[in-house]
Amino acid sequence: RKEVEQDPGPFNVPEGATVAFNCTYSNSASQSFFWYRQDCRKEPKLLMSVYSSGNEDGRFTAQLNRASQYISLLIRDSKLSDSATYLCVVNPSMDSNYQLIWGAGTKLIIKP
Amino acid sequence: EADIYQTPRYLVIGTGKKITLECSQTMGHDKMYWYQQDPGMELHLIHYSYGVNSTEKGDLSSESTVSRIRTEHFPLTLESARPSHTSQYLCASSDVAGGNYNEQFFGPGTRLTVL
Repeated sequence: RKEVEQDPGPFNVPEGATVAFNCTYSNSASQSFFWYRQDCRKEPKLLMSVYSSGNEDGRFTAQLNRASQYISLLIRDSKLSDSATYLCVVNPSMDSNYQLIWGAGTKLIIKP
Repeated sequence: EADIYQTPRYLVIGTGKKITLECSQTMGHDKMYWYQQDPGMELHLIHYSYGVNSTEKGDLSSESTVSRIRTEHFPLTLESARPSHTSQYLCASSDVAGGNYNEQFFGPGTRLTVL
């Protein structure tokens, strides 16, 4: 079993719709969580850090469920520009020198 | 925008050649990383550094080597390139402040093809 698992998609969603996808992690001691966005053939860029139970930034909401060991990303009123691969990233330790574990990503395609 | 640069952006080279992928950042970050990513796959950490004269191997076994003589510079070297080294190589850096929530800033990547 992979340490961080994501549904690879693609999720094909009409513009304006709400879409959500989950990411599960295997290490219950994991301390910090992130969503990165990666456009095709580009580098990853931080979308959100996930604090405590979750947080919101505009149309994006990230939630953490420690009991079930998953984090979710919700995108409301989706835009064409939201089309990208969304990477779930987990820090498995309280030690900030520990290395991040990256999911393979969920591909999102927003259609007009 | 992150100030982290990688050269070359694209490299096509023959088997057996020695190559060095350059990575520089102007943010003064202590931590730097090299990742390898195949299309549609997850990032795999191959090397990282906590600061000058610090280098560590990552999770993915790699025949490459790195050096960190200056804070801003973290080059990766392949002594003898092989077709199995064909991949995208991403360099990243992060600050030590912020604890576990340090954002990693990525360079644009080097797409390497070994014939």
